[in-house]
Amino acid sequence: GAVVSQHPSWVICKSGTSVKIECRSLDFQATTMFWYRQFPKQSLMLMATSNEGSKATYEQGVEKDKFLINHASLTLSTLTVTSAHPEDSSFYICSARDLTGPPGTQYFGPGTRLLVL
Amino acid sequence: SQQGEEDPQALSIQEGENATMNCSYKTSINNLQWYRQNSGRGLVHLILIRSNEREKHSGRLRVTLDTSKKSSSLLITASRAADTASYFCATSSGGTASKLTFGTGTRLQVTL
Repeated sequence: GAVVSQHPSWVICKSGTSVKIECRSLDFQATTMFWYRQFPKQSLMLMATSNEGSKATYEQGVEKDKFLINHASLTLSTLTVTSAHPEDSSFYICSARDLTGPPGTQYFGPGTRLLVL
Repeated sequence: SQQGEEDPQALSIQEGENATMNCSYKTSINNLQWYRQNSGRGLVHLILIRSNEREKHSGRLRVTLDTSKKSSSLLITASRAADTASYFCATSSGGTASKLTFGTGTRLQVTL
């Protein structure tokens, strides 16, 4: 099956710094990727839809200037958490859409755990 | 978007027993999918059931879908300790660009 990787798998940073998370589709091209956030013992909440070559679409309540998304190629999307604060600590998961499968078919990355001190 | 609801929120059973999890959703759908998530890890796709299907099997998994009640159930038969994980349903509606809306999840604990 299709593989999606994320890097880094975990990161600890100081409050006020920016953190970049990469999401790569390893063996297929993904025109659309999704970024989710998951707090402990909670479900996944969609943050934004990342479209190759165009601006991302953010869900209601997600600050686009806080969470910068760049989808510059068909295999890479990046999420940058700018000026991170402790409340941004969370598990961030990306997924890539598979156009060949049924609607909604997505392959998920292993996630990135962010801890902001 | 509103999430679906899953129940129970947590389930503890012994190895060999069956585990049933339920999912309800609010809008019409193209399909419904079930995922497993081990603690602190990514999601593993288990099974997809289309809106025109009523039941689907995959190994020890059995999924049902009742679109009139907007609900689905996941049955894991003869559970194993390795089945311990959180299980999420996710619905897809709209076209091929559709997003997934995840349920609240069920935490399953299978003890020896």
